[in-house]
Amino acid sequence: GESVGLHLPTLSVQEGDNSIINCAYSNSASDYFIWYKQESGKGPQFIIDIRSNMDKRQGQRVTVLLNKTVKHLSLQIAATQPGDSAVYFCAENGAAGNKLTFGGGTRVLVKP
Amino acid sequence: EAQVTQNPRYLITVTGKKLTVTCSQNMNHEYMSWYRQDPGLGLRQIYYSMNVEVTDKGDVPEGYKVSRKEKRNFPLILESPSPNQTSLYFCASSSQGGYGYTFGSGTRLTVV
Repeated sequence: GESVGLHLPTLSVQEGDNSIINCAYSNSASDYFIWYKQESGKGPQFIIDIRSNMDKRQGQRVTVLLNKTVKHLSLQIAATQPGDSAVYFCAENGAAGNKLTFGGGTRVLVKP
Repeated sequence: EAQVTQNPRYLITVTGKKLTVTCSQNMNHEYMSWYRQDPGLGLRQIYYSMNVEVTDKGDVPEGYKVSRKEKRNFPLILESPSPNQTSLYFCASSSQGGYGYTFGSGTRLTVV
């Protein structure tokens, strides 16, 4: 598969436990944030997004939390499964709102 | 199926030999973008297009060209590839720039 990062922060989690992935964003003018999952050999896939007028949004087994005060975004995955092993990226749409700027990514490894 | 299709998936070429990576989307999206992904540097935007015949530089445009003659296609052109353009390339599209992108599966380019 394709290597997306040789020195990514790595989160090791036991199967069935909850995972929390953190992201600090840079632009206080961003009004849209999104999490992507990238599996080996594939392009980034949409997980969940949130607008700046919200501080929490839930999907299926995933929750995104937004703290605008400290410019922090987190992704919580409930009952982590082996299929959740991947690299996770956060992104923000920046001051102009016309493009997504990506964070460096976090690798999640699920231990059976 | 809604998708972004890139070709080729893998390409090895020699320095200076012009090449084109094609990208096509079937979602009638107005916005399209090219990113490159490198270890330790994450996803960086090369060029983007807000609509037909409207293109603009992203963060790392040097050595690349694009065109948007039709809504569905957004090819990436390397007129004279160099080894520092060895990377994993992704095309993405969206109904609105700066909001949820759909990514292609990637093109692994090696320039020797």
